[in-house]
Amino acid sequence: EVQLVESGGGLVHPGESLRLSCVASGFTISHIWMGWVRQAPGKGLEWVASMKNDGSERKYVDSVKGRFTISRDNDKRSLYLQMSSLRAEDTAVYYCAKTNYLEVWGQGTTVTVSS
Amino acid sequence: EIVMTQSPATLSVSPGERVTLSCRASQSVSSELAWCQQKPGQGPRLLIYGASTRAAGVPARFSGSGSGTEFTLSISSLQSEDFAVYYCQQYDHWPLTFGGGTKVEIK
Repeated sequence: EVQLVESGGGLVHPGESLRLSCVASGFTISHIWMGWVRQAPGKGLEWVASMKNDGSERKYVDSVKGRFTISRDNDKRSLYLQMSSLRAEDTAVYYCAKTNYLEVWGQGTTVTVSS
Repeated sequence: EIVMTQSPATLSVSPGERVTLSCRASQSVSSELAWCQQKPGQGPRLLIYGASTRAAGVPARFSGSGSGTEFTLSISSLQSEDFAVYYCQQYDHWPLTFGGGTKVEIK
């Protein structure tokens, strides 16, 4: 079964860091773009970051540039999102997704930034 | 940034009716347009990519059309499991962007 499973979410204070992980099963990630999309409570979907299969390109939405870093380990079929200097507006469910047209989505992991 | 605009924001329909959702891009995205469905408490699910190609396992009652800046998602006969929020998303240009969504609710 093709599946993505995210982990690493939690409750943090503003300014703190968090690392999200996503593990793929049922397919190999080594030939495709992978990315992260988030959804704030009661809001729509917002693309956050994507990374090319070989790591040669990384793309970010402006609001997270300089604070978030996307990375991957193809051998471990894993995608990561290192988040630092977290803000209240980063509070959201974070989804891992396969390809740039978001062919497969995970179930999401919740990040709450609050004092 | 390409702005994606969906209309209407909410659609009230009865089961069995035909539904058409619209999505407009602020500039051409060619056919690099996807539609996804999200039900309450669940992650999104891809329905259509390439503007008109159904994703694996998606029922034939879902169809997509359009290119450039104007796109539509049609559901030929709405089933009870189709009541959800639908988003369009362009992947032709960075940053990837979504429309605000259309909520299809029971009339």
